[in-house]
Amino acid sequence: EVQLVESGGGLVQPGGSLRLSCGASGFTFSDYWMSWVRQAPGKGLEWVANIKQDGSEKDYVDSVKGRFTISRDNAKNVLYLQMIGLRAEDTAVYYCTRASRDVWGKGTTVTVSS
Amino acid sequence: EIVMTQSPATLSVSPGERVTLSCRASQSVSTNLAWYQQKPGQAPRLLISGASTRATGIPVTFSGSGSGTEFTLTIISLRSEDFAVYYCQQYNNWPYTFGQGTKLEI
Repeated sequence: EVQLVESGGGLVQPGGSLRLSCGASGFTFSDYWMSWVRQAPGKGLEWVANIKQDGSEKDYVDSVKGRFTISRDNAKNVLYLQMIGLRAEDTAVYYCTRASRDVWGKGTTVTVSS
Repeated sequence: EIVMTQSPATLSVSPGERVTLSCRASQSVSTNLAWYQQKPGQAPRLLISGASTRATGIPVTFSGSGSGTEFTLTIISLRSEDFAVYYCQQYNNWPYTFGQGTKLEI
């Protein structure tokens, strides 16, 4: 079964850091661009970052540039999102998805609050 | 950044009805347009890619059309499980952007 499972979310204070992970199974992870998408409580969707199959290309939405880093470990079939300098507006459910948009994880919740 | 605008924001419909949802892009996205369905507490589910290609497992009751800046998602004969929020998304230009969503309610 093709599956993505996110982990690493939680409550963090403003200015803090968190690393999200996304484990992939059921497909050849290294064949796909991968992405993170987030959804603030009661709000719409925001495509946050993309990473190429070999990690050589990365894209970030302006609101997270310089604070978030997307990376991957193809040997372990894991996608990461390192987040630093977290702000209240980063509070959201973070979804891992194949950039082909057809497979999504269930999401992990990040709450930035003092 | 390409702005995606969906209309209407909310649509009150009844089971069995046919509905058409609209999505407009602030500049051309060719046919690089996807539609998603999202139910409360769930991840988005891909319905349509390439403006008109149904994703795997999506019933024929869902159809997409359009190109450039104007797109539509049509659902024929609404079923109870179709009541959800629907989002369009362009993936022609980075950053990829979503519309604000259309909520189908009874």
